[in-house]
Amino acid sequence: GDSVTQMEGPVTLSEEAFLTINCTYTATGYPSLFWYVQYPGEGLQLLLKATKADDKGSNKGFEATYRKETTSFHLEKGSVQVSDSAVYFCARGPNFGNEKLTFGTGTRLTIIP
Amino acid sequence: EAQVTQNPRYLITVTGKKLTVTCSQNMNHEYMSWYRQDPGLGLRQIYYSMNVEVTDKGDVPEGYKVSRKEKRNFPLILESPSPNQTSLYFCASSLSPGQGNTEAFFGQGTRLTVV
Repeated sequence: GDSVTQMEGPVTLSEEAFLTINCTYTATGYPSLFWYVQYPGEGLQLLLKATKADDKGSNKGFEATYRKETTSFHLEKGSVQVSDSAVYFCARGPNFGNEKLTFGTGTRLTIIP
Repeated sequence: EAQVTQNPRYLITVTGKKLTVTCSQNMNHEYMSWYRQDPGLGLRQIYYSMNVEVTDKGDVPEGYKVSRKEKRNFPLILESPSPNQTSLYFCASSLSPGQGNTEAFFGQGTRLTVV
């Protein structure tokens, strides 16, 4: 069935390191794709999104490109900060009658000074 | 300020004692849903509602009920809670998926412990 698979965590990086969190999806068509972030003790909030193939979503230095050829939406940031420590969720939007957001399992990111 | 408000934030209860977690949104969204978050499983949808008086089961509906009598409110009801319902619960709202913008807004979460 339709699903979202993202990189297992936890991930620990030093400040200013390069970050990649992999995400792939399955879908019948071309759904919107999202990255949500959950800071400690808070709910999820939208980090970035892309609504069609080859779109690049970006926010707070994070980027992700909608790649239909590889059905991927990998999250990247060139230089992480301690404040980026959080749990990151990749999600796929509604697709041909499946009306819900489908989430990956989440990746916990810890940045050490 | 656009927001989704859940209450309570924390709840400890005993097996079998009925409880309700409230959820309210102020964005006039049609679509609302409940998720539970468990380690290693991500977010799993419990129930959703496409509009007033329209609700349907998500992936893990057993042991839960919902109602949607008003557009802004979508309470989650546990008639007889059990320890396996100990989890972190999130309410979310968005425009109707058919409108193309499915960005979801989440509440701050309710951490439920059933002993």
